[in-house]
Amino acid sequence: DSGVTQTPKHLITATGQRVTLRCSPRSGDLSVYWYQQSLDQGLQFLIQYYNGEERAKGNILERFSAQQFPDLHSELNLSSLELGDSALYFCASSVDRAGGYTFGSGTRLTVV
Amino acid sequence: GEDVEQSLFLSVREGDSSVINCTYTDSSSTYLYWYKQEPGAGLQLLTYIFSNMDMKQDQRLTVLLNKKDKHLSLRIADTQTGDSAIYFCASRGPGGGSQGNLIFGKGTKLSVKP
Repeated sequence: DSGVTQTPKHLITATGQRVTLRCSPRSGDLSVYWYQQSLDQGLQFLIQYYNGEERAKGNILERFSAQQFPDLHSELNLSSLELGDSALYFCASSVDRAGGYTFGSGTRLTVV
Repeated sequence: GEDVEQSLFLSVREGDSSVINCTYTDSSSTYLYWYKQEPGAGLQLLTYIFSNMDMKQDQRLTVLLNKKDKHLSLRIADTQTGDSAIYFCASRGPGGGSQGNLIFGKGTKLSVKP
C-alpha cells in the first residue's frame, strides 16, 4: 500500500457520460498530481494541486476538471466522455521536490 | 518541449545484469527518477539521482548519469523473474514540464527469462 488511495479501481461508462475519480493523498503530502496513462500516449501529466490551489496544468482537456478539497483529497471530473478517454488515470502525491511522487494504484476507465 | 526517450523492450536471462537506458532533453533537469510498474499496479519509485551526481548505488540497482550527453541508465544486477515489469525514466527540473512536474518516458518493458 503506497498510502495514496484511488477510487474506484474500475469504471465502465457510456460515451457522453460524466464520471468523478477520487484520490486521497499520502498523509502529510500537500501536492496532488493527476496523470493519464494510455498505450499510445504513455503517461501524460494532467494537472497539479497544492494545498487546495491549482499549481500547474498539463495536457488536460477542457472537458476535464479537477479540484482539491480542504482535507486535501482531490477529485478529477471527466465529462462528455469519448471512446478515446479510456485509459488508466493515476493520482500521485508528494511532500517535496526531491523525493519524487508516490502513485496510487489507478482507476481504469473504460468508455463504451 | 521537454522529452524523455527510452527503448521499449529489453529481454534478459535470469541472473544476468539488465541495463535500461534513457535520454532526456531538458538540460535544466535537477532530478532524474526510475519508476517500476508491475501489471495492474501503479508506479513504484525505485530510485532517483540529483543532477550533480554521476552515480548512485542502492543494493542491486546502479544509476549512472551522464549530464553532458543527457543520458541516464539503470543497471539491475542479478536480474530475477520478479524484476519483470515496465521501467519508466522521468526527469524534473525547475522549469521543466509545467513548473517542475515529472516528464515520463514511454517505459521499457523488461522480460526476464528463466
